[in-house]
Amino acid sequence: AQSVAQPEDQVNVAEGNPLTVKCTYSVSGNPYLFWYVQYPNRGLQFLLKYITGDNLVKGSYGFEAEFNKSQTSFHLKKPSALVSDSALYFCAVRDIPGYSSASKIIFGSGTRLSIRP
Amino acid sequence: DAGVTQSPTHLIKTRGQQVTLRCSPKSGHDTVSWYQQALGQGPQFIFQYYEEEERQRGNFPDRFSGHQFPNYSSELNVNALLLGDSALYLCASSITGGTGNQPQHFGDGTRLSIL
Repeated sequence: AQSVAQPEDQVNVAEGNPLTVKCTYSVSGNPYLFWYVQYPNRGLQFLLKYITGDNLVKGSYGFEAEFNKSQTSFHLKKPSALVSDSALYFCAVRDIPGYSSASKIIFGSGTRLSIRP
Repeated sequence: DAGVTQSPTHLIKTRGQQVTLRCSPKSGHDTVSWYQQALGQGPQFIFQYYEEEERQRGNFPDRFSGHQFPNYSSELNVNALLLGDSALYLCASSITGGTGNQPQHFGDGTRLSIL
C-alpha cells in the first residue's frame, strides 16, 4: 500500500533562513507525490507535485521539493523563510489502484512550520 | 472562477442525528472526493464520486454515504452520528484522467461538532 511519513511534528525556523520539511514515501510503482499547505480554518492548498522528470520541482510561493528515489524522500524546501509561511504542511501520495483512473490521495500526518521574526 | 465551495461552514449536531454536507466543485471539474480531517491529523479519504457513482471508498462505515448530481455537485451524508465523527470534512474536486497526475483542489471544509 502507498504511504508517506512526515517524521517531524513541528519545524521552527528564523525568518530569512532556509527551511526544510521532510517527507519519505513508500509506493509500489512510480510515485505521484504532492505537497499541500493548510492555513488555520482553511482547506488545503496545492503547492507542487512530482510526477516524472526533473528531481527538483518548483511550486507556489517560492517553495520547491527534491525527489530522491534512492532515499525515497520528497523534502519540501525554501531558500529564505517568511513569517507568512507559518502553517501546516502535508506531504501526500496518489494511490492509483491497478488500471483504474480512480485515485485517492493519501496524506501524511502533517508538519507544523513556525517561522519566527 | 469560483473554486470549490462547501456548505455549511460550521455545524453542531448531537449523537444519533443525521447530517448532510454539500460541495460544489471547481468549474470544469467532474470528480469529487471527500475527506475527514480529525483535529491534529492528516485528512483521511472517505470516498470519491464520478459520473454520479461512488468509484472508490476508504475505510469508513456504511453510516457515511454520498451522492453526486448531474451538475457534478456532491453531498456527504452521515447517519447515527457519534462523538468521534467530530472533524473537519473536506471536499476536493479534480478532472478525471487516466494518468492521475492532476492535483485535487480543496474547499475550506465544514467543521462538524457532535455534542
